[in-house]
Amino acid sequence: AQSVTQLDSQVPVFEEAPVELRCNYSSSVSVYLFWYVQYPNQGLQLLLKYLSGSTLVKGINGFEAEFNKSQTSFHLRKPSVHISDTAEYFCAVSDAANDYKLSFGAGTTVTVRA
Amino acid sequence: DADVTQTPRNRITKTGKRIMLECSQTKGHDRMYWYRQDPGLGLRLIYYSFDVKDINKGEISDGYSVSRQAQAKFSLSLESAIPNQTALYFCATAKATGTTRGELFFGEGSRLTVL
Repeated sequence: AQSVTQLDSQVPVFEEAPVELRCNYSSSVSVYLFWYVQYPNQGLQLLLKYLSGSTLVKGINGFEAEFNKSQTSFHLRKPSVHISDTAEYFCAVSDAANDYKLSFGAGTTVTVRA
Repeated sequence: DADVTQTPRNRITKTGKRIMLECSQTKGHDRMYWYRQDPGLGLRLIYYSFDVKDINKGEISDGYSVSRQAQAKFSLSLESAIPNQTALYFCATAKATGTTRGELFFGEGSRLTVL
């Protein structure tokens, strides 16, 4: 079975500063990796995903993540955040051969301050 | 209109009552899921369904049941609600193949409070 650990539960950051959200996964098989964002009072929406190929994945709203197989990590980054990036972010993993079940991390709350 | 619609969006009920949360989708996806979100625990899978006749338990199915009435409809029931079932519940859909493979599409959530 796969599992995900998000290393930071809360990340405060100033507007226009960079942010990195850390995600480590555990799996004995090949995986698919995802980052989802949840804005207040909304459902989750996909930011980006890694299925195969290039280890640097670009997503929506200027976010990117890098898959590091040796470190079993999939950290999310944005070079300059906006107030509107205030949200909860979830890392998720699935078995690449049986991709019907995603396991989610506990989430990281990002609060962007002016 | 949302592609994945959940009703009700908010519900307060009492211990021992039966509650049904409904989900309908217009995405044409075969796979449907129910997740529960609790602060600090992320999302945990309750049940998932590949089609009308294929329903599977997730990691926290105890105390819950589901019904897949049609390809587009997937309901979650709490037969006798208890306070620790107070949570935010999400329905999600997925497609087995194509460019969105592996990706979940979520509804806006149903907040349930059990007193």
